[in-house]
Parts: sequence; C-alpha cells; structure tokens
Amino acid sequence: GENVEQHPSTLSVQEGDSAVIKCTYSDSASNYFPWYKQELGKGPQLIIDIRSNVGEKKDQRIAVTLNKTAKHFSLHITETQPEDSAVYFCAASTGGGGADGLTFGKGTHLIIQP
Amino acid sequence: DAGVIQSPRHEVTEMGQEVTLRCKPISGHDYLFWYRQTMMRGLELLIYFNNNVPIDDSGMPEDRFSAKMPNASFSTLKIQPSEPRDSAVYFCASSARAGPTEAFFGQGTRLTVV
Repeated sequence: GENVEQHPSTLSVQEGDSAVIKCTYSDSASNYFPWYKQELGKGPQLIIDIRSNVGEKKDQRIAVTLNKTAKHFSLHITETQPEDSAVYFCAASTGGGGADGLTFGKGTHLIIQP
Repeated sequence: DAGVIQSPRHEVTEMGQEVTLRCKPISGHDYLFWYRQTMMRGLELLIYFNNNVPIDDSGMPEDRFSAKMPNASFSTLKIQPSEPRDSAVYFCASSARAGPTEAFFGQGTRLTVV
C-alpha cells in the first residue's frame, strides 16, 4: 500500500517568514495530493490540493509543488501569520482519489513565533 | 449544511465495555470514511462506505471493531469489548463523489478507555 513520509514533525518560524513542509510517497500510481490543516480540537480541513497532471498550484499565501519523478510534494506558506499555527497533514491517494480513502503523513506542528 | 456531525465529542469508558460512535455525513455525499488518530500512528483509515455499502475494511484493526451504515445519513463505529489501546480520536469524513475530491471531516470523538 501507499506510504507517506512527512518532515519536519515540528516547525517553528517567525511571523512573516515562510514555512515549507515536505512529503514523499511510495506508490507511483498516486495521483491526488491534498494538504489538510488541523486546529486544536477540530477535524482536519482541506487547504489546498494538487493533482498529478499539475506541477504547482497557488492560492494566495499557500502553494504546493509536486515532483512526480522524485515522488515528493511540498507545502509552502509565505508571510506566515499567527493563525497559521496548527498541525498540517499531507496525504496521497491512488486511482479513485477521495473514494479510496487517503493515506496521511504523520503531520507537522507549525508554530508561528510572534 | 452543518457539515459532518459526530457524537459524542468525548467518551470515557471502562475496559471491556461496548462503545458506539456515531456519524451523520453531509447530505448528498456518497462516500463515508472512518479514521482513527493517535500520536504514534497518525491518521489511519479504518473503513469506508460507498452508497451505504462497506467497500474496504482492511484498516479495521481487529474483530472487536465493526462499522455499519444503515442509511445514507447515519453510520456507527462500534468497539466491543473496548481496550485501553483503543484510546484515540476517531474521525468520520464524507465526500461527494469518486475521484480526487475533498473529504470533509467531522470534529471527532475523543475516546478514552480506562
């Protein structure tokens, strides 16, 4: 089955700086790569996703890049703000995408220092 | 729509007791997923349903775990008998269709087995 590795497990950055979280996956058939943000006491919420036919996608301060050859993808957050503090999960899915269920990374606890 | 609704939010039970977690997916969503979240193992897919039919239960850890979806608006995850190692946050999620698509998560049920 799919295996998703995520690094780092904890990331502390100064407010206004950029944050980068990296993930690798094992199954070359994976074609859907969402990123979820989980705030304390809440369920994960999708913030951005990318499909395998796209190399990069951007939404305001958030961007995701995908390298299918190397089987890794990254989340980039620019101009970080206190409300960006949360746990971020990458995930990968094959074939049916959401219908197959997602394989998640272990998560990155992002801390924005004021 | 109120989103995916899970109940209870918190459950504390004694080892050996039966525990039932409940989920109401978003109306119109055809797919329902049960995930378990622990510090050690992260987010794990336990089982998912399509149109109320269980499709893949390979993630269910043991026979003590069972899940049902009697209709499109309700699902249960049952643990009988419960054990301390079942302590975790259990999430229900739903998605609208097959293919790469967003999974919407509920707030989760924090289960503590003492």
